[in-house]
Amino acid sequence: GENVEQHPSTLSVQEGDSAVIKCTYSDSASNYFPWYKQELGKRPQLIIDIRSNVGEKKDQRIAVTLNKTAKHFSLHITETQPEDSAVYFCAASRLTGGGNKLTFGTGTQLKVEL
Amino acid sequence: NAGVTQTPKFRILKIGQSMTLQCTQDMNHNYMYWYRQDPGMGLKLIYYSVGAGITDKGEVPNGYNVSRSTTEDFPLRLELAAPSQTSVYFCASSLGTSGSPQEQYFGPGTRLTVT
Repeated sequence: GENVEQHPSTLSVQEGDSAVIKCTYSDSASNYFPWYKQELGKRPQLIIDIRSNVGEKKDQRIAVTLNKTAKHFSLHITETQPEDSAVYFCAASRLTGGGNKLTFGTGTQLKVEL
Repeated sequence: NAGVTQTPKFRILKIGQSMTLQCTQDMNHNYMYWYRQDPGMGLKLIYYSVGAGITDKGEVPNGYNVSRSTTEDFPLRLELAAPSQTSVYFCASSLGTSGSPQEQYFGPGTRLTVT
């Protein structure tokens, strides 16, 4: 099955700096890569996703890049703000008619310091 | 829309007891999922369903059962609870079909402790 590794496990940045979180996946057939943000005690919420036919996607301060050859994808947050502090999870799946079975990474605790 | 709702929010079980975690969605989503999240870890898929009457195992199905008699409801049954099942359980749903948005919407979670 799919295996997703995520690094780093913790990341501390100063407000206004950029943050980068990296993930690798093992299944070359995976074609969907979402990123979820989870605040303490809350449910995960999708912040951005990318499909394998696209190399990069941006949404305001957030961007995701995908390298299919190397089987890794990254989350980039620019101009970080205190409200960006949370745990971020990457995930991967192979989209089929049989469901979107996500395999999650172990998470990155991002702390944005004033 | 209420989205995805789960009950109960918290529960303490004794070893060997059974319980059902309830999950309901009002978005007319075809796909529904159950995940567990252990402390400091990512989410692991327990079971999923692509429609009423259709369920299948995920990564960690042992000790659990599910049913999907309606589009809206996807209960998770724990039989003979064990300490290893102490976790936070999230239900999620998504629209389905490969061409549509794939966002999974999560419920608020159920925090379960087995002692």
